[in-house]
Amino acid sequence: NAGVTQTPKFQVLKTGQSMTLQCAQDMNHNSMYWYRQDPGMGLRLIYYSASEGTTDKGEVPNGYNVSRLNKREFSLRLESAAPSQTSVYFCASSGGVVTGELFFGEGSRLTVL
Amino acid sequence: GDSVTQMEGPVTLSEEAFLTINCTYTATGYPSLFWYVQYPGEGLQLLLKATKADDKGSNKGFEATYRKETTSFHLEKGSVQVSDSAVYFCALIPLYTGRRALTFGSGTRLQVQP
Repeated sequence: NAGVTQTPKFQVLKTGQSMTLQCAQDMNHNSMYWYRQDPGMGLRLIYYSASEGTTDKGEVPNGYNVSRLNKREFSLRLESAAPSQTSVYFCASSGGVVTGELFFGEGSRLTVL
Repeated sequence: GDSVTQMEGPVTLSEEAFLTINCTYTATGYPSLFWYVQYPGEGLQLLLKATKADDKGSNKGFEATYRKETTSFHLEKGSVQVSDSAVYFCALIPLYTGRRALTFGSGTRLQVQP
């Protein structure tokens, strides 16, 4: 069972470079999310998509853009990476937010030099 | 706004010890409460949840009771194992507010020694 798949798992960028984190889920979920995890700060929501065709800002959206390509895929783009974006990024999906059960990918560790 | 406060870690215990990880919250609306667990090198996974006051969520020997009067949702386990070593996150989502994503606490690392 694949669940939620993120790529790449590791990436090193230089300041100012751009990159896209890819996420795909095979559970036919409507809602998808991007979180970042930083030491001592837990998970903070970057963007989410409640359904195909919609996206909304979360707690820390600055410096990021997202695309809900179809029901399965939700990508996160850094247009001009900054050292403050060094973090572990998690994609998650949910069949219904009321249940509170999110299914997470394994994470993508990004380092910006 | 919504927030979740957890005790700082790491929490280090010997095998078979009793575990408590404290969690308190502030929320607009009536929240549902959750505990997620993250094992090394993995994403988070749901451990247990409670959706109304006085509900007790339980799974894998872990329990947590929704205490509305103290706005708390403390995680407990009677006898921990080495395999319980992980980071534990408390989270909430307030219902009937239109909010569509979970708010997480900062996480508490548990280390269980043999």
